[in-house]
Amino acid sequence: AQSVTQLDSHVSVSEGTPVLLRCNYSSSYSPSLFWYVQHPNKGLQLLLKYTSAATLVKGINGFEAEFKKSETSFHLTKPSAHMSDAAEYFCVVGWGGIWMIFGAGTRLAVHP
Amino acid sequence: DVKVTQSSRYLVKRTGEKVFLECVQDMDHENMFWYRQDPGLGLRLIYFSYDVKMKEKGDIPEGYSVSREKKERFSLILESASTNQTSMYLCASTGGEHEQYFGPGTRLTVT
Repeated sequence: AQSVTQLDSHVSVSEGTPVLLRCNYSSSYSPSLFWYVQHPNKGLQLLLKYTSAATLVKGINGFEAEFKKSETSFHLTKPSAHMSDAAEYFCVVGWGGIWMIFGAGTRLAVHP
Repeated sequence: DVKVTQSSRYLVKRTGEKVFLECVQDMDHENMFWYRQDPGLGLRLIYFSYDVKMKEKGDIPEGYSVSREKKERFSLILESASTNQTSMYLCASTGGEHEQYFGPGTRLTVT
């Protein structure tokens, strides 16, 4: 069975400090993994994707994620948070270019 | 850039009304999707279509139907809206790449 678990529903950081959003997945197949970001009242925007190439994936806006097969994890990180990073983030496991399972989301708050 | 547009950003309908949500993509993508998004539940797939006039049920198709008469357009239909269908509805498309491209969403309120 396929599933995605985002380990924190809310994360709060100060501006300029590192961000860590945690995601574990379960998949019977070789998955593609994604992180999407959603700002208030907007659609989802792709941050980055893993599709069985390099395990360390760099995305937009300074975000990156590392695929760790042994830990079935795909955590999202950023060295220094910016106020504009405040949003909801979704970890997604997909396969076949069609089926995608979304995590419940992590709401990131960034304080001055 | 891929562009996915949805006909309305906000919609208010009464219980029992028939509701149409429309989605258009401009990248000649084969696959299109309708999701609903509810707090704490993430996104759940309602229906998807892999070609004109072809459709497949997703995880929560009950109370919904879809129509795809043209490749670029995918419509979600609520035959008789109910209050438990109050939600954010998101359309997406993909051309066979791994990721999906999303529209801005329609926030539907059924009173």
